[in-house]
Amino acid sequence: GAVVSQHPSRVICKSGTSVKIECRSLDFQATTMFWYRQFPKKSLMLMATSNEGSKATYEQGVEKDKFLINHASLTLSTLTVTSAHPEDSSFYICSGLAGGMEQYFGPGTRLTVT
Amino acid sequence: KQEVTQIPAALSVPEGENLVLNCSFTDSAIYNLQWFRQDPGKGLTSLLLIQSSQREQTSGRLNASLDKSSGRSTLYIAASQPGDSATYLCAVKAAGNKLTFGGGTRVLVKP
Repeated sequence: GAVVSQHPSRVICKSGTSVKIECRSLDFQATTMFWYRQFPKKSLMLMATSNEGSKATYEQGVEKDKFLINHASLTLSTLTVTSAHPEDSSFYICSGLAGGMEQYFGPGTRLTVT
Repeated sequence: KQEVTQIPAALSVPEGENLVLNCSFTDSAIYNLQWFRQDPGKGLTSLLLIQSSQREQTSGRLNASLDKSSGRSTLYIAASQPGDSATYLCAVKAAGNKLTFGGGTRVLVKP
């Protein structure tokens, strides 16, 4: 199957700082990428849908000014958590849509805000 | 709004026993249903994808059925092994390519 990478895999940052997470589709072009958030022992919750070259569409309750998403190319999307707080600590997972059929998921990024 | 439920939330079985994981969804207007495996602290691995027009999919020891009209899917894992221990998630795809996930079933296979 298609491969999606995320970087970094783990990040610890101080409260008030910003952190950027990269999501790359390595062997396919993803016109659409999705960002999910997962709390411990919980399921994935969709945060936003990003289409290459256009603004992301955020799910209800997700602050677009706090979670900045950029999808500048067909193989790269970034999520920037701005002014991070401890409650933003979570597992963030991205996925890329291949050929309009199946989503391929990245390995996730563990964010800890101290 | 689509809601996906997985029962049971956790399951512990001895090695060799067959596993039966259930997934139900409230809105039958889906494009497909997908089963994933997630190991602790890791991403998702796709196991099986069933299109809305299909009744089942099989891969090795795994078999997934789909009854769209009743809003149900079942994942069967035959002859379970300790390496099958993980969390299993089902997700349905609807309009806008959005996936809605169930809460997952945590499986422990005891040697």
